[in-house]
Amino acid sequence: SQQGEEDPQALSIQEGENATMNCSYKTSINNLQWYRQNSGRGLVHLILIRSNEREKHSGRLRVTLDTSKKSSSLLITASRAADTASYFCATDGGSNYKLTFGKGTLLTVNP
Amino acid sequence: NAGVTQTPKFQVLKTGQSMTLQCAQDMNHEYMSWYRQDPGMGLRLIHYSVGAGITDQGEVPNGYNVSRSTTEDFPLRLLSAAPSQTSVYFCATKSGGATDTQYFGPGTRLTVL
Repeated sequence: SQQGEEDPQALSIQEGENATMNCSYKTSINNLQWYRQNSGRGLVHLILIRSNEREKHSGRLRVTLDTSKKSSSLLITASRAADTASYFCATDGGSNYKLTFGKGTLLTVNP
Repeated sequence: NAGVTQTPKFQVLKTGQSMTLQCAQDMNHEYMSWYRQDPGMGLRLIHYSVGAGITDQGEVPNGYNVSRSTTEDFPLRLLSAAPSQTSVYFCATKSGGATDTQYFGPGTRLTVL
């Protein structure tokens, strides 16, 4: 079963705009991670936020976590065409090893 | 430092054939895992290993076997391929810490006819 569910399924924006993707999950977690997947490639880790953190930044990325609502959001600021990819959230369900991924958000950034 | 490598990149099988997908890592990571990704889906965990000699089932283990005789290698075996196993397969590794990230290989695209 899918632990994380991203919303929206697809998002199309213009270069320079901000992109926000959301993730909801079902069980308690130690941490939540976001990954990017370019078409035909493997996943690349973007950022990890621990369950006791509420917000985390990395370059143009900002992740928030609300454990009471079991939800997270990924904000990409000043988007670029190179940000075009699928974005997945992944939760550990309390395990050190077993990640459960959502279905992903396909982000298209138009030049 | 090659990271995580997977072979082959592409494979076509006939129903009933067997094959082994290879995964190797040179990062000395304890944890290795296999995922499959189907169209419009996220990744689903097939099997994982927390160290040499130790394996366990993930979410969708049926039809797949694994073994972990060395830290570096974690092959995935399909004993009798079925069309439902047509998918893209990803191997991933991480060290043992809870906050460590997973590193993914480039994937193997498998088609079962």
